[in-house]
Amino acid sequence: GAVVSQHPSWVICKSGTSVKIECRSLDFQATTMFWYRQFPKQSLMLMATSNEGSKATYEQGVEKDKFLINHASLTLSTLTVTSAHPEDSSFYICSARDRDDGFSTDTQYFGPGTRLTVL
Amino acid sequence: RKEVEQDPGPFNVPEGATVAFNCTYSNSASQSFFWYRQDCRKEPKLLMSVYSSGNEDGRFTAQLNRASQYISLLIRDSKLSDSATYLCVVFTTDSWGKLQFGAGTQVVVTP
Repeated sequence: GAVVSQHPSWVICKSGTSVKIECRSLDFQATTMFWYRQFPKQSLMLMATSNEGSKATYEQGVEKDKFLINHASLTLSTLTVTSAHPEDSSFYICSARDRDDGFSTDTQYFGPGTRLTVL
Repeated sequence: RKEVEQDPGPFNVPEGATVAFNCTYSNSASQSFFWYRQDCRKEPKLLMSVYSSGNEDGRFTAQLNRASQYISLLIRDSKLSDSATYLCVVFTTDSWGKLQFGAGTQVVVTP
């Protein structure tokens, strides 16, 4: 089956630092990757959609200058939380669409998530 | 108003009993519907798709009512391992096509 990995699985950082999270599709090519954020007892909220080789599309209310997304290849997307603050502490999850499933497929393969704690 | 609404629970269920819960969605143009399962501090995992005709997967039965815009999940003969948060998920074809998640219904199966 399609596997998506995330690195790191957890990270603790000081306020004001930047944190980079990687999302990789291990056995398929992902034209589209999605970044979600989940606060405790809340739903996964889509932050942005990234397509390989183009700029990410951010959801309303998500600061694109704070959450930098790069999707440089068909197997890797990165999310950088710049100048992180305690309110950015959350569970960040990526997902990917397999290119072979078609452009508008409803199937997404989820990474295991990254738990970010900002002190 | 949230796009997808669920009763957060928890639903405390004795082992072997049946539990059912619903979710409602607001976008009438939504195309596909799913139940995902999420364990504590883990990523969501697809449990089953939901079809208008209703569908069953072992002890799990899902129903979709498009007219009333709600989806249900029923778990029969509950196992301890069924304890989890169940996420109602709706797919819409806005922009690139999005999955919209409910906040989840927590189920706790007790011995």
